[in-house]
Amino acid sequence: QVQLQESGPGLVKPSQTLSLSCTVSGGSISSGNYYWSWIRQPAGKGLEWIGRIYTSGSTNYNPSLKSRVTISVDTSKNQFSLKLSSVTAADTAVYYCARSQTWGYGPGSYCMDQWGQGTLVTVSS
Amino acid sequence: SYELTQPLSVSVALGQTATITCGGNNIGSKNVHWYQQRPGQAPVLVIYRDFNRPSGIPERFSGSSSGNTATLTISRAQVGDEADYYCQVWDSSTAEVIFGGGTKLTVL
Repeated sequence: QVQLQESGPGLVKPSQTLSLSCTVSGGSISSGNYYWSWIRQPAGKGLEWIGRIYTSGSTNYNPSLKSRVTISVDTSKNQFSLKLSSVTAADTAVYYCARSQTWGYGPGSYCMDQWGQGTLVTVSS
Repeated sequence: SYELTQPLSVSVALGQTATITCGGNNIGSKNVHWYQQRPGQAPVLVIYRDFNRPSGIPERFSGSSSGNTATLTISRAQVGDEADYYCQVWDSSTAEVIFGGGTKLTVL
């Protein structure tokens, strides 16, 4: 079974860029019809989808974050990454990476079927 | 953008049936997915495409969707089912994932 593990700094200063990586093990990031997604969750609050990337490199982002987000994939390392620029305290959250798929059906079937354990990122000076 | 509405909390007696709703405009025309998130853990997919269970999810978990409401039903509720539950859809008009606000399930 595929496993995902987030990594990156746990503390980022305001106005700087948050950078996280997600390492995929137990399977190739290039195989199968999967998307690779980032989701975040502020303490005590709900889930917020950040965006996704397909192994072809095509991306979709949450419109509310689109101007600050970049998701990329490195197939040689079996990793995908998140960059969020110009962070503020409002970006403090647990960040999850996840594998996503449409189960062979249309785009409306898109959901996250495997999740990493999450990593806490705090934005503070 | 599309919005999903969930009750903040639902309580159920041990061994009874819990029902968690997810409201949205004509949600019955979309595919709805459900996640369970136990305290301090990552979410787990428990229902996809309205009523399908991923491998390893107990048959006690079931889903349905019609009109403006999707429903997650947990039969024979156990203490281990205490968690936050989130519904999710894909909004094709904006190409984004939409989550409901989450429902905290308490087993009494």
